[in-house]
Order: sequence, then structure tokens, then C-alpha cells
Amino acid sequence: AQKITQTQPGMFVQEKEAVTLDCTYDTSDPSYGLFWYKQPSSGEMIFLIYQGSYDQQNATEGRYSLNFQKARKSANLVISASQLGDSAMYFCAMSWRGSQGNLIFGKGTKLSVKP
Amino acid sequence: EPEVTQTPSHQVTQMGQEVILRCVPISNHLYFYWYRQILGQKVEFLVSFYNNEISEKSEIFDDQFSVERPDGSNFTLKIRSTKLEDSAMYFCASSEVRTSGARAGLQETQYFGPGTRLLVL
Repeated sequence: AQKITQTQPGMFVQEKEAVTLDCTYDTSDPSYGLFWYKQPSSGEMIFLIYQGSYDQQNATEGRYSLNFQKARKSANLVISASQLGDSAMYFCAMSWRGSQGNLIFGKGTKLSVKP
Repeated sequence: EPEVTQTPSHQVTQMGQEVILRCVPISNHLYFYWYRQILGQKVEFLVSFYNNEISEKSEIFDDQFSVERPDGSNFTLKIRSTKLEDSAMYFCASSEVRTSGARAGLQETQYFGPGTRLLVL
């Protein structure tokens, strides 16, 4: 069965430093997609970055990059130059060809950025 | 930039009442989804909808839930007889469909609406 694991319930980072949020996944389907979403305290889910299982290069979107290690089944999110506005819950999620597109989510990591 | 919208933002209802949560997906998207998030817990898939029918549903999506696309823009989730445990944030999401290449059939990124916070008393 498919599974997403986020082992860090909470993380602290100093403003302007980089932080890595961990995510491991499990699926037997060779075709899958990995996503990171940000959920601020206001509650909305904001899409950050996507990595496809066939993508040769790690995805990057501005200050966000995804450290995709397929053999280890990990898809860690790296946020460079943290800002106070990055304080939020971060969810890793996965879809796979057999899922008809629906996502399964990890439990999330609460990131707190210190000034 | 196009976005998914949801109404209402908050809904308070009495146990046993029916509620309808409304969503307007991004206009050129073809797949629609409902998810829920009980306070402090992870987001859970409820149902996906494509081509005017349910394509997948989870075990949470039992007979008290239904979805509908009543017109060309709205996508609704109805909870027939609410229970206390239905209190949650309900998210609508939509995506395009990837139609070619190695990832054909694998949906594109899902964009979420701001959510409806439902409280059942």
C-alpha cells in the first residue's frame, strides 16, 4: 500500500538560513508524483513544488527545491533563505497512476522561523 | 492567476442537518476533488470526479455524502445528515489531465481552494 511519512512533527530555523523538511514515500507503482503543500495558520493549502517519478532533475521553484532520491524513496523539501512568512505546516503528498490522481498526505511538519 | 474558490468559508450546523459545500474549480480543469482535514490531523481524500461521474472515492465517502456538478462551473459536496465527527475543514481541489507522454493519464498538480470550516454542534 502507498504511504507517505514525515518524521519531523516540528522544526525551528533561523531567519535567512536554509532548512530541509523530510519526506519518505512508499509505492510499487513506477509512475507517481510527489508534491509539497504549505498550510499557513489561516488554513488554506498552497501548492509549492512537484516532482514526477520520471523527472531526471530535482524540481526547483524559487526558494524551494526538492531533493529527490528515488532509490531511497525520499523527497525532501529544501527552503533556502527562510523568511518569517515561511512559518507554517508543510505537507508532503503523493499521487500514482493507480490512484486516479487522488493524493495521500503525510502528517505534516510544523516549521517555525525565528527572527 | 486563476484559483479555486469555495463558499462558505465557515459553516455551523446542528447535528442531523444537511449541508452543501460549494466550490468553483479553475475553469479549464477537468478533475475535481474533495478532501477533508480534521483539526490537527492530516488531509484525507474523500472523492474525485471526472466527466460528470465519481472516478474514485475513499471509505470515508459513505452514503451520507454526495457530489454534484450542477452546472458548468460549480462543484458541490452534500452531507445529508451531519454528525459531530464531520466537523473538519473541507477542501476542494482541481487539476488538468496530462494527456500525452510518459506520464499520460497521471493528473497534473491539484490546486486547492481556501477550504470551508464546518462545525457540527
